[in-house]
Amino acid sequence: DGGITQSPKYLFRKEGQNVTLSCEQNLNHDAMYWYRQDPGQGLRLIYYSQIVNDFQKGDIAEGYSVSREKKESFPLTVTSAQKNPTAFYLCASTGVTAKNIQYFGAGTRLSVL
Amino acid sequence: KQEVTQIPAALSVPEGENLVLNCSFTDSAIYNLQWFRQDPGKGLTSLLLIQSSQREQTSGRLNASLDKSSGRSTLYIAASQPGDSATYLCAVQAGTALIFGKGTTLSVSS
Repeated sequence: DGGITQSPKYLFRKEGQNVTLSCEQNLNHDAMYWYRQDPGQGLRLIYYSQIVNDFQKGDIAEGYSVSREKKESFPLTVTSAQKNPTAFYLCASTGVTAKNIQYFGAGTRLSVL
Repeated sequence: KQEVTQIPAALSVPEGENLVLNCSFTDSAIYNLQWFRQDPGKGLTSLLLIQSSQREQTSGRLNASLDKSSGRSTLYIAASQPGDSATYLCAVQAGTALIFGKGTTLSVSS
């Protein structure tokens, strides 16, 4: 089945620890995105990538880092510099075949221990 | 800076009612507007996408309209069902990424 897979579904971070959220897609989409969602809030853009080996900061990139070494993969690292990481993280992708519609993964819920 | 507002924040209706969700945006220079559905603790599912040159799109019991000049969109749901209960998010695309509203949480009672 084609789609976007995010893992893990739940993640816990200890203070001072870096954690990495996985996002994989088999839709052959060029563009991938990371959003953060807080309760009662809309989604806010963290980072996005339009092609392999290139990515840009979104509105709230501080405390996060990404890489795009493969077209299918766009992992997000939440660093210790992110002081309020508790949130629901959503990955999305789109491409020419998707006609600009963004397809989303099921999300990762990150909590701080 | 583009801002997207959705009204109301929450809505409760009995089954069978027709209803309208509202979305407004501050900058009319958009490529498209999209409506998504989100179930609790889940990702987003695209419902309808309206290109900036279009006025409306329809899918089944859903109809979305776009008035770019006034910065408004509506999502019309006909004959609502309990399965329609979810949060509905509106998003505009002006550059590469989407800008989202905070959503309208809909509850349809049987």
